[in-house]
Amino acid sequence: QVQLVQSGAEVKKPGSSVKVSCKASGGTFSSYISSWVRQAPGQGLEWMGGITPILGPANYAQKFQGRVTITADESTSTVYLELSSLRSEDTAVYFCARGIAGRTSAIPYYFDYWGQGTLVTVSS
Amino acid sequence: DIQMTQSPSSLPASVGDRVTITCRASQSINDYLNWYQQKPGKAPKLLIYAASSLLSGVPSRFSGSGSGTDFTLTISSLHPEDFATYYCQQSYTTPSFGPGTKVDIK
Repeated sequence: QVQLVQSGAEVKKPGSSVKVSCKASGGTFSSYISSWVRQAPGQGLEWMGGITPILGPANYAQKFQGRVTITADESTSTVYLELSSLRSEDTAVYFCARGIAGRTSAIPYYFDYWGQGTLVTVSS
Repeated sequence: DIQMTQSPSSLPASVGDRVTITCRASQSINDYLNWYQQKPGKAPKLLIYAASSLLSGVPSRFSGSGSGTDFTLTISSLHPEDFATYYCQQSYTTPSFGPGTKVDIK
């Protein structure tokens, strides 16, 4: 049974950075696209980017280019999201999600397993 | 980027009702369309992928249809556990989600 377990809630100051982790178990980690999707309070879902560990560099949504870094540690089956220059609008629940490769190797076909979510609060 | 819209945004319904949610893409996405269910405080759950393929273990009262730009999710007979928010998501290009449809108690 695939499980994605995320790190705990964070409270950050504006202008700082946050790093959230997501540890996978029960499946083949390296060949799937591990993505990050965020949800601001009362809002919808927003894909931030994803990485397939065996293929190398992550792909990012244009909105977050330059501010987000997604990395993976194959030895521990863990994927990380780092978001910098935080502002109040980044307050959200951040989900990791496992994606099956779709039309291209960089585009997840669908997200079949999700982490429990990590609340990141940005406040002065 | 491909924009996704859903209607209605809110859908009051009763147990036993047939419920239909519509999703529209800003350009053709063939059948690269998925549906998720989300309950408060929980992660989304995949229900349907490739527009009409039911994920294993999802009740058969859920069905999806459509191709190109227009898609529907139908719940044939609403159960109490189906009150939730439903999102469509395109995977033709960089993933994007619809704004959601909240199915709540009439």
